[in-house]
Amino acid sequence: SAVISQKPSRDICQRGTSLTIQCQVDSQVTMMFWYRQQPGQSLTLIATANQGSEATYESGFVIDKFPISRPNLTFSTLTVSNMSPEDSSIYLCSVGRDRGGSNYGYTFGSGTRLTVV
Amino acid sequence: AQTVTQSQPEMSVQEAETVTLSCTYDTSENNYYLFWYKQPPSRQMILVIRQEAYKQQNATENRFSVNFQKAAKSFSLKISDSQLGDTAMYFCAPQAQGGSEKLVFGKGTKLTVNP
Repeated sequence: SAVISQKPSRDICQRGTSLTIQCQVDSQVTMMFWYRQQPGQSLTLIATANQGSEATYESGFVIDKFPISRPNLTFSTLTVSNMSPEDSSIYLCSVGRDRGGSNYGYTFGSGTRLTVV
Repeated sequence: AQTVTQSQPEMSVQEAETVTLSCTYDTSENNYYLFWYKQPPSRQMILVIRQEAYKQQNATENRFSVNFQKAAKSFSLKISDSQLGDTAMYFCAPQAQGGSEKLVFGKGTKLTVNP
């Protein structure tokens, strides 16, 4: 299965600023996913990132707040913009099937713990 | 919206014993995948086991096995010979409807293995 490197692992940010989270995959994957996990909660999908097209956002999430880039089949970034304390969460990236169509994907990055003060 | 129900917010088990975590879901798909993930305090999401809905045989990975009842839309996880390292949050995650590769997560079950 794919191995994902996610950076940073944690950050403390001032309200009103932005943070960009990076995920690098060791193989080419069609889809990458960005999730938010609020304290004590389950995972909620923010958006799906496809290479070469705009990300598809889930209800309640907008591009202006969470812009996503997907420049190639192994890399994606999520930016949390104009942060407020309510954005304090763990953010995780994940991948689906690999480019060859194997179903042994669905692995996750190690997560970014964001605290907004 | 597609729902996934994990009815046991917390469970505990003695070391070396067996425990079963329940999960029910809804879907209108016929072919799809289902997953159980483990999230220890390190917060890393670890894939425990997966099941393909078109396979009748229940998936098994060492001490972990599932009881998949497709008609009932039930997907329980059995952990045998529980170990202290099994202490974690466990999330059930079926594949979303519509052929997408995205997953829908249940609220999770916090499992504690006691020595």
